[in-house]
Amino acid sequence: GENVEQHPSTLSVQEGDSAVIKCTYSDSASNYFPWYKQELGKGPQLIIDIRSNVGEKKDQRIAVTLNKTAKHFSLHITETQPEDSAVYFCAALGYSTLTFGKGTMLLVSP
Amino acid sequence: EAGVVQSPRYKIIEKKQPVAFWCNPISGHNTLYWYLQNLGQGPELLIRYENEEAVDDSQLPKDRFSAERLKGVDSTLKIQPAELGDSAVYLCASSLETDRLSHPTSYEQYFGPGTRLTVT
Repeated sequence: GENVEQHPSTLSVQEGDSAVIKCTYSDSASNYFPWYKQELGKGPQLIIDIRSNVGEKKDQRIAVTLNKTAKHFSLHITETQPEDSAVYFCAALGYSTLTFGKGTMLLVSP
Repeated sequence: EAGVVQSPRYKIIEKKQPVAFWCNPISGHNTLYWYLQNLGQGPELLIRYENEEAVDDSQLPKDRFSAERLKGVDSTLKIQPAELGDSAVYLCASSLETDRLSHPTSYEQYFGPGTRLTVT
């Protein structure tokens, strides 16, 4: 089955800095890669996603890149704000099952 | 539009007791998922329904877990009897599964707030 590795497990940045979270996947058949933000006591919230026919996607301060050859994808957050502090999960969709990474705790200090 | 609704939000029970969780998906979403999330981990799929049919229950521990989605809308996940190791957050998610080539948003899964279960 699919295996998703996510790094780093924790990331501390100063407000205004950029943050990058990286994931790798194992199943070359995976074709959809969402990113979720989970705040304490809440369910994961879909923030951006990318499909296998696209190399990069941007939505305001967040962007995702995908390298299918290397089987890795990354989340980029620019101009970080304290409200960006949360746990971020990457995931990969194979035929029908979404497999998640273990998460990255992002802490943005004012 | 209302999101995925789950209840209860928190549940504390003693081991060997039964417990049930309820989920109401986003209106019109035909696919419903139950996930298990252990502390410090990502969600793991327990079961997936397409309408009333459980199309993937390979990760559901069937000796003590059961689920149903009788009318293709709401769903209930049950544990009987609960064990200490079942303490976790149980998440429900839904999506609209259609022809993915013509409807790219059918990949998107939306999660509810979860039920935090503590077994003592």
